[in-house]
Amino acid sequence: AQSVTQPDIHITVSEGASLELRCNYSYGATPYLFWYVQSPGQGLQLLLKYFSGDTLVQGIKGFEAEFKRSQSSFNLRKPSVHWSDAAEYFCAVEGDTDKLIFGTGTRLQVFP
Amino acid sequence: EPEVTQTPSHQVTQMGQEVILRCVPISNHLYFYWYRQILGQKVEFLVSFYNNEISEKSEIFDDQFSVERPDGSNFTLKIRSTKLEDSAMYFCASSIQGARSNQPQHFGDGTRLSIL
Repeated sequence: AQSVTQPDIHITVSEGASLELRCNYSYGATPYLFWYVQSPGQGLQLLLKYFSGDTLVQGIKGFEAEFKRSQSSFNLRKPSVHWSDAAEYFCAVEGDTDKLIFGTGTRLQVFP
Repeated sequence: EPEVTQTPSHQVTQMGQEVILRCVPISNHLYFYWYRQILGQKVEFLVSFYNNEISEKSEIFDDQFSVERPDGSNFTLKIRSTKLEDSAMYFCASSIQGARSNQPQHFGDGTRLSIL
């Protein structure tokens, strides 16, 4: 069965610091992978997606993610975090059907 | 940029009452979805809908739930007799193509459903 694990429930970083949010997936074939961001009281905004090809994908707001098949990972990174990046981040996988399976999310807190 | 819109943003309903959550997907999208997020938990798939019929549904989507596309623009989720545990944020999503199509799902801002 497909599943997504986000090991970090809560991460705190200082503004300007680098960021890496971890995501591990379970799926037998090549997965379709996504990162979504949810600001308080808001919906889910797509940050980036991986379907195939280049394993390093660029997204909006300066985010990138790297697909590593050997590690079953799709970690999200940003070189310099801004206070406005404080939000909940969800990794998701699409498997054989088009339903998305989400991880439990990582709440990012940014200190000035 | 086109958006998925959901109404209302917040719905308060007495337990046992029927509730209808409304969504207007992006206009050229053909695949529609409902997800829910209980407070503090992860987003869970409820149902997918294509060509006027349900494509897939989760175990959460029992006989109390139904979906409908009553016209060319709206996509609704109905809960016939609400329970306390139905309290959650409900997200509508749409996609121009379905599974394994390289097209992502676009989400609305959600409807917060509170059952009293």
